[in-house]
Amino acid sequence: GQQLNQSPQSMFIQEGEDVSMNCTSSSIFNTWLWYKQDPGEGPVLLIALYKAGELTSNGRLTAQFGITRKDSFLNISASIPSDVGIYFCAGQLNFNKFYFGSGTKLNVKP
Amino acid sequence: NAGVTQTPKFQVLKTGQSMTLQCAQDMNHNSMYWYRQDPGMGLRLIYYSASEGTTDKGEVPNGYNVSRLNKREFSLRLESAAPSQTSVYFCASSGTFGTSYGYTFGSGTRLTVV
Repeated sequence: GQQLNQSPQSMFIQEGEDVSMNCTSSSIFNTWLWYKQDPGEGPVLLIALYKAGELTSNGRLTAQFGITRKDSFLNISASIPSDVGIYFCAGQLNFNKFYFGSGTKLNVKP
Repeated sequence: NAGVTQTPKFQVLKTGQSMTLQCAQDMNHNSMYWYRQDPGMGLRLIYYSASEGTTDKGEVPNGYNVSRLNKREFSLRLESAAPSQTSVYFCASSGTFGTSYGYTFGSGTRLTVV
């Protein structure tokens, strides 16, 4: 199946720091999505990106759809303890399915 | 609250036992999906139902069957559970098959096969 390489696998940061994570693929995707999963819960959609080069923000979160359509980036500014969780990227290859990255586990120290 | 409801939340099975995971959504979505989540491997699609009356295999369908009972409900059945099926299972739904708006996920079923 399709493979999305998501990095880093985990991060330990201090409250107030900015965070960056990314996803890359050998395939060209039509849509990129970013989800957050809290412990014991299902993933929740944060940001959706629909065209190459698009930059979209949701509060302190900013995501970009790479120009090559093979990658995407998520930035979190001024992290807070409730940002803790696992962040997943998902790419839509064709109209019927999304493929998920393996996740970035974020830990924020108060 | 509107959303996707999965039952049970936790289950322990012995090897060879069977069980059905239930999923229901009240958002009038057309499409429903079953994923499994394993450490370090993200979410992998087991089966999906683009619309009521249709089901199709995803990436990892072996050992599973599904039933789209009606528009609201989509169940996942393990006929003879194996330890390799120990995982967290998520059901999801979307308004339109292949919609770019993403999925709404349930809170998961944690299954252990011993």
